[in-house]
Amino acid sequence: AQKVTQAQTEISVVEKEDVTLDCVYETRDTTYYLFWYKQPPSGELVFLIRRNSFDEQNEISGRYSWNFQKSTSSFNFTITASQVVDSAVYFCALSEEDKIIFGKGTRLHILP
Amino acid sequence: DARVTQTPRHKVTEMGQEVTMRCQPILGHNTVFWYRQTMMQGLELLAYFRNRAPLDDSGMPKDRFSAEMPDATLATLKIQPSEPRDSAVYFCASGFGLSREQYFGPGTRLTVT
Repeated sequence: AQKVTQAQTEISVVEKEDVTLDCVYETRDTTYYLFWYKQPPSGELVFLIRRNSFDEQNEISGRYSWNFQKSTSSFNFTITASQVVDSAVYFCALSEEDKIIFGKGTRLHILP
Repeated sequence: DARVTQTPRHKVTEMGQEVTMRCQPILGHNTVFWYRQTMMQGLELLAYFRNRAPLDDSGMPKDRFSAEMPDATLATLKIQPSEPRDSAVYFCASGFGLSREQYFGPGTRLTVT
């Protein structure tokens, strides 16, 4: 069965600290896609990254980086030198041929 | 800067009333999604359309919810009759299918009393 687990429901860190958000998924398909979305206090979900199941290369975009490991079915997201503007709820999602499922989200508080 | 738009942004209605939510997807996108977000269930896919044809509405309560796409610039989600348990934020998103990124609208916050 398809499943996405974000075990951390809420995290608080002080500004400039690094923080990693965990995402573990379950799927029987060999072809699937993983996503991260950000939901700031304004409410609108914003796309951050997409990965297909055949591309395990890690990715860095500015202060954001993603670690995809098929061996552990994980797709973790790290924010380096966090800033107050990073405060939001972050969702990991898994899509297969005909369905998509989102994790419950991790609420991240960056304290000034 | 192309965006998905949704109306209304907020809706308060009484149980039993009909509610219609509207979405204008980003021009050129061929897939439109409807989601519901609640504290308990999180973000759930209700239905989606590709090239205006419904592909999957298995996430919707069939007896009271209906989704349509009368043209490429308008998607609607209707609840009739509404119930208090329908209170949630309803998001529309558009893109190029489930395997690609989606662009979300600002949502409609529905409260059914």
